[in-house]
Amino acid sequence: EAQVTQNPRYLITVTGKKLTVTCSQNMNHEYMSWYRQDPGLGLRQIYYSMNVEVTDKGDVPEGYKVSRKEKRNFPLILESPSPNQTSLYFCASSLLLSGSSYNEQFFGPGTRLTVL
Amino acid sequence: GNSVTQMEGPVTLSEEAFLTINCTYTATGYPSLFWYVQYPGEGLQLLLKATKADDKGSNKGFEATYRKETTSFHLEKGSVQVSDSAVYFCALSSSGGTSYGKLTFGQGTILTVHP
Repeated sequence: EAQVTQNPRYLITVTGKKLTVTCSQNMNHEYMSWYRQDPGLGLRQIYYSMNVEVTDKGDVPEGYKVSRKEKRNFPLILESPSPNQTSLYFCASSLLLSGSSYNEQFFGPGTRLTVL
Repeated sequence: GNSVTQMEGPVTLSEEAFLTINCTYTATGYPSLFWYVQYPGEGLQLLLKATKADDKGSNKGFEATYRKETTSFHLEKGSVQVSDSAVYFCALSSSGGTSYGKLTFGQGTILTVHP
């Protein structure tokens, strides 16, 4: 089954304790992205990657890191989490369509993170 | 920059009522437009899309028409069901440059349908 998986689905942690949220897709997609969802703000892009070893900042990258060492995986790293990073996080992936603006993105089930 | 504005919710309807969720956008160039749906406890799923002006996207009884002159992409359904209860997001995707692949989302509209 084609899908995007995220782990963990739920996480409660404390300020300053490093954590990683994993994301994996089995569709051979070049493009992967992380979003955070907050009430009244919709989804905002944190980081994205257009291929292996190619990553760039989205709209809200502060406090986050990513890596793309393999095509299928795109982990999100919080080196020193803070309470304002409490949110619902989604990973997404898509093909890269040259010369086209259309890119259907497939989303993972989400990770609900609480930082105390 | 790009932006998407959705009508504020939540929206509460009775089963078989008509649904409209308004969406307007600001973007440079010729964006593609999307409606995504998020059912409780799940990730986002693409509901429908339109890639150029006057295109009509449709799926599961939902429709939306890409109106370039009014920069709008309103979502409609003639007769809603309880199973349509979810959060609906309007989104756009621009072409080229550093924004390639990025989706810009509206704030989401919570729809609740009662029997």
